[in-house]
Amino acid sequence: NAGVMQNPRHLVRRRGQEARLRCSPMKGHSHVYWYRQLPEEGLKFMVYLQKENIIDESGMPKERFSAEFPKEGPSILRIQQVVRGDSAAYFCASSPPPGTGEQYFGPGTRLTVT
Amino acid sequence: GESVGLHLPTLSVQEGDNSIINCAYSNSASDYFIWYKQESGKGPQFIIDIRSNMDKRQGQRVTVLLNKTVKHLSLQIAATQPGDSAVYFCAEAPWAGGTSYGKLTFGQGTILTVHP
Repeated sequence: NAGVMQNPRHLVRRRGQEARLRCSPMKGHSHVYWYRQLPEEGLKFMVYLQKENIIDESGMPKERFSAEFPKEGPSILRIQQVVRGDSAAYFCASSPPPGTGEQYFGPGTRLTVT
Repeated sequence: GESVGLHLPTLSVQEGDNSIINCAYSNSASDYFIWYKQESGKGPQFIIDIRSNMDKRQGQRVTVLLNKTVKHLSLQIAATQPGDSAVYFCAEAPWAGGTSYGKLTFGQGTILTVHP
């Protein structure tokens, strides 16, 4: 059973460009969570999704950030018009229904904004 | 607001010693706690969890203790090995109804270094 997969692993964007981060949950998992980690800090919750539904987006910045988890395909975290402060590691986690606390994390996408 | 934090940012031990990593939380409504291990360049790896109706849980070489009175959580690693060197995070999740939990709130992390 493959674990949570994220791609790309590393992403470099210039200021003002768009970044798209993808997450494929573990097989059988229908709950996806996105977290952001700044250097030397813990992970900060961003958004919690189920298939075609956003359950909790209380950690998402109000502007430029969006997330989706379509019926088919991976979950996407999209950052428009990136700024240097968006540079961080973005982790996706998944859990089986009904959304237990035991979340399994992917390897992360390291976004660098130049 | 709710927060989860750690007392010690770094811990150095000798191989074979026991390690204890501590965590304090402020949200008395917290219901579920998890310890994660994160190695450099990797995602957090689940170690052990505990629910608020328990005060102790054991795994392989690891034990988690929960003291709800003082809102304190600890991770004990027996016979620590060099491969245990990593950053350890505690995390808390609220009860969301039924058997469901929501988002995790992470602490800052403790760097564990094990010397051979």
